[in-house]
Amino acid sequence: KNQVEQSPQSLIILEGKNCTLQCNYTVSPFSNLRWYKQDTGRGPVSLTIMTFSENTKSNGRYTATLDADTKQSSLHITASQLSDSASYICVVSAEERGSYIPTFGRGTSLIVHP
Amino acid sequence: EAGVTQFPSHSVIEKGQTVTLRCDPISGHDNLYWYRRVMGKEIKFLLHFVKESKQDESGMPNNRFLAERTGGTYSTLKVQPAELEDSGVYFCASSRRLAGGIEQFFGPGTRLTVL
Repeated sequence: KNQVEQSPQSLIILEGKNCTLQCNYTVSPFSNLRWYKQDTGRGPVSLTIMTFSENTKSNGRYTATLDADTKQSSLHITASQLSDSASYICVVSAEERGSYIPTFGRGTSLIVHP
Repeated sequence: EAGVTQFPSHSVIEKGQTVTLRCDPISGHDNLYWYRRVMGKEIKFLLHFVKESKQDESGMPNNRFLAERTGGTYSTLKVQPAELEDSGVYFCASSRRLAGGIEQFFGPGTRLTVL
């Protein structure tokens, strides 16, 4: 069964600090891994997309890494801002039946305090 | 470019009633996806349209759920009759092409409450 586990479940940090969120997965056959940011009451917004051959991808202050051998990914947020408070969701897709079937993690809830 | 829109934003119905959710994808996006998040759980895939055809509907929970995309533009998801466990947030997403590295754009979701 395909699964995506994220840790920690929640995290509180001070503005300006860095943090790293973790994602472990058992999804096969692996196609791609995405990190999304979801603000309360809104739909998820894509931060990074990585395929099998990519091991790092940056988007501004967000940097994602992928280790396909250990099936782990991380999302590092640098110099956090109050607007970074949100849920961060790891999604791993398998290519099946001509489609890309995503498996979502439960997300890490990040709160940035001033 | 307008984003993915969903209607209604909220719906409260009684068990046994029928509800229809609508999704308007980004113009030109052939691929349309429906997802659902039940309280306290992760978002789960329901189905995937390519234009008007169902590419994959392996995530549809049962035959009380009917999704359509006539004409390959907007899509509807009908729940009939609704049950208590159908409560959750229903998301729609679209993408221009079907490929592993292509971004999906999500709508804001429809929050469904079944009483």
